[in-house]
Amino acid sequence: NAGVMQNPRHLVRRRGQEARLRCSPVKGHSHVYWYRQLPEEGLKFMVYLQKENIIDESGMPKERFSAEFPKEGPSILRIQQVVRGDSAAYFCASSPLLTGGTEGYTFGSGTRLTVV
Amino acid sequence: AQSVTQLDSQVPVFEEAPVELRCNYSSSVSVYLFWYVQYPNQGLQLLLKYLSGSTLVKGINGFEAEFNKSQTSFHLRKPSVHISDTAEYFCAVSDQGGADGLTFGKGTHLIIQP
Repeated sequence: NAGVMQNPRHLVRRRGQEARLRCSPVKGHSHVYWYRQLPEEGLKFMVYLQKENIIDESGMPKERFSAEFPKEGPSILRIQQVVRGDSAAYFCASSPLLTGGTEGYTFGSGTRLTVV
Repeated sequence: AQSVTQLDSQVPVFEEAPVELRCNYSSSVSVYLFWYVQYPNQGLQLLLKYLSGSTLVKGINGFEAEFNKSQTSFHLRKPSVHISDTAEYFCAVSDQGGADGLTFGKGTHLIIQP
């Protein structure tokens, strides 16, 4: 099953540490999206990437957060100097090239970040 | 920009009873509409989607939804629920014009009571 793979499933970090979340999209999908789900909230769009390009990062906090999708390897969401408010589930989704929203998106199982 | 409103944060229903989960959206452009289900500690799974054509859309697990353009609604229904349907349900929209990601509602927690 070549779905969206996210790792780790659970990540615990102390305040001030860095968190790196990985996402391998469905094979052949070149569009990757990151979403954050806070407790009791829906998913909020963070960033949309294509290979080697950030297309839309309007949902990303201006500081401490960054994302990349290199030519080879998974997409990485990086959170520097984590704070308690960063505790959330982070979901990655991928879609095929040029289909826009017609396919829906294939979601991973998420990474649950806990900052202690 | 789009927005999605799911009016009910929780819906308790007895097993084998029908259920309707409400979703309203607003958008200045044409949209695609989706319902996703999230089981505890899992990712989102697509239940169904409306792209065009027939306004009644059938999805997996016996769910269906009806697109009502005049009321800007896309309510999800199932005629008879099972314990296994207990989950969080999210309505979402995306802009037809491009791959700009999804805008989600806050979700409805469907609680099935035996």
